Amino acid sequence: GESVGLHLPTLSVQEGDNSIINCAYSNSASDYFIWYKQESGKGPQFIIDIRSNMDKRQGQRVTVLLNKTVKHLSLQIAATQPGDSAVYFCAENIPSNTGKLIFGQGTTLQVKP
Amino acid sequence: SQTIHQWPATLVQPVGSPLSLECTVEGTSNPNLYWYRQAAGRGLQLLFYSVGIGQISSEVPQNLSASRPQDRQFILSSKKLLLSDSGFYLCAWRQGNTEAFFGQGTRLTVV
Repeated sequence: GESVGLHLPTLSVQEGDNSIINCAYSNSASDYFIWYKQESGKGPQFIIDIRSNMDKRQGQRVTVLLNKTVKHLSLQIAATQPGDSAVYFCAENIPSNTGKLIFGQGTTLQVKP
Repeated sequence: SQTIHQWPATLVQPVGSPLSLECTVEGTSNPNLYWYRQAAGRGLQLLFYSVGIGQISSEVPQNLSASRPQDRQFILSSKKLLLSDSGFYLCAWRQGNTEAFFGQGTRLTVV
């Protein structure tokens, strides 16, 4: 469920390393998942998504893995760059007519040059 | 293509003053619309959502209200702001089981 009251955990990585950001989702009925990137003072931007009938999806430098057994989602960023520094949120869609997305608490990624 | 506009970008308002934040969407019809609030260093809290004109659902009890006078217009309001209303307000739209698109946000500081 939503964790809006918690301070965001931080992941610090060296430039060029791979980053893995994890997310536990709440509902086994969730059928669609999204990763967003939010830079300071801006709205969240779509990175990559995955549907529940898949367990892996790859984009440019990013890969999302879905483990439905343990309700876990991860975002892997290859060769992390300083421009990747941001807050990353996962979101899940629980089927309904409202279209509400349930957001995870977010993780701050800091890339050290 | 679809775009979402949200304004103003920043706002400083005294306690007890009214508020009106506006969000408009272009390039789509009958979207679901959402207002989120984000405190500094925190996650996204859903405040209101709307599945159609005049249809508003509130997620949390609060000092704010929302209205949808037109299909692609979503307004967040308050009659009297509180200090605790300070935050980063985000409007978003979504259609079908796809990603939600966010505006650039309004930074509200109540003083």
